[in-house]
Amino acid sequence: DAKTTQPPSMDCAEGRAANLPCNHSTISGNEYVYWYRQIHSQGPQYIIHGLKNNETNEMASLIITEDRKSSTLILPHATLRDTAVYYCIVRAVGLSGGGADGLTFGKGTHLIIQP
Amino acid sequence: IAGITQAPTSQILAAGRRMTLRCTQDMRHNAMYWYRQDLGLGLRLIHYSNTAGTTGKGEVPDGYSVSRANTDDFPLTLASAVPSQTSVYFCASSETSGSYTDTQYFGPGTRLTVL
Repeated sequence: DAKTTQPPSMDCAEGRAANLPCNHSTISGNEYVYWYRQIHSQGPQYIIHGLKNNETNEMASLIITEDRKSSTLILPHATLRDTAVYYCIVRAVGLSGGGADGLTFGKGTHLIIQP
Repeated sequence: IAGITQAPTSQILAAGRRMTLRCTQDMRHNAMYWYRQDLGLGLRLIHYSNTAGTTGKGEVPDGYSVSRANTDDFPLTLASAVPSQTSVYFCASSETSGSYTDTQYFGPGTRLTVL
């Protein structure tokens, strides 16, 4: 799986949009971009994933650049409960299922929502 | 819907003792995983199972064993615990492995301290 680079920490005011960047310049054609987050002392939580088109769900939006070398996770109206570590993970598709398909977590971005 | 449950929530264990961490999912997912999370190292895959009856080694399997007798349960055993196995352990599951749709869902974790 391709490596990702994220800023170690970010602040955002409550009620504003939080934009979390991720660089994945070595991404290959069959790799998806996944975002998870981990609130303190809890297990990681899936947020969203995409291949090349922008995606939106009830939690967030994912914007992937045309060259797919970077992406941005957008939390449209951040709340205090969104304070967490956010992980951007690039993951290959179409594995045979006979190998280890665990996620490779980097250090993520610690997003702090300020009241 | 419980999702994934883990037991115990936390445990203090003497070095050399045997310990089994339990993980149960009620989503009928085929694939299950065990990760450990240590400060500064992120989550690392210990063992995985693509389907009932099969298991495989992840990034850090030494000192751990797993079994997958049925779809729902995936226990992790430390045969003879050592202090370096002090960590937070997360179990996860996904509908399939090796597919772009295999979003992983995580349990609440077990905090293990080996003295």
